[in-house]
Amino acid sequence: YELKQPPSVSVSLGQTATITCSGDALSKQYAYWYQQKPGQAPKMVIFKDTVRLSGIPERFSGSSSGAVVTLTITEVQAEDEADYYCQSARGNGQYYVFGTGTAVTVL
Amino acid sequence: QVQFVQSGAQMREPGASVKVSCKVSGYIFTEYYLHWVRQAPGQGLEWMGRINPTSGASIFAHQFQGRVTLTKDASIDTAYMELINLQPRDTAVYYCARLAGLEPEDYWGQGTLVTVSS
Repeated sequence: YELKQPPSVSVSLGQTATITCSGDALSKQYAYWYQQKPGQAPKMVIFKDTVRLSGIPERFSGSSSGAVVTLTITEVQAEDEADYYCQSARGNGQYYVFGTGTAVTVL
Repeated sequence: QVQFVQSGAQMREPGASVKVSCKVSGYIFTEYYLHWVRQAPGQGLEWMGRINPTSGASIFAHQFQGRVTLTKDASIDTAYMELINLQPRDTAVYYCARLAGLEPEDYWGQGTLVTVSS
């Protein structure tokens, strides 16, 4: 079972970055989004499809439609350059899976 | 505050095994599942499995079944991940983590680099 993401997204400073994550189970299970910067552990930015974590800038938002979830970063800042991973679960929700990851580059 | 402190980097030869520890603090150890996630150099995150710190019951991603053992010692708030029959493809940073459950929060260890090379 796999969650598919685009390998890379390039976005100009101040523009909008959109990262998709697709997988059959997403229509039944929640998705979570993580940001990972070089040399650091991942940290969650979006919980249960759409909930932004405390301390995460409002420019980060999540949405869901059927088997596709989307992370949107509006007015992208230089510090948003990172790898982003979606995460969900399969089967009865016990077996977790991460997406293939998307490297966001800010131009 | 919640902290996860993992054991240090290790090198192993192919065919050997490795055991990584994860000591937690700042919350009641038995109240949350503990997950293990690995990341090979330049690659993505890979969920390995999780342990119920109360019962010790664990489940694994199918690609790790038979090679990974997850254990815990609740008396010292520590979880362990042991991987056997190591191969060079097992070279990775291994993380313990408390992933989101009912609350929107996650906590991760600092990661342990395991290098498998002859």
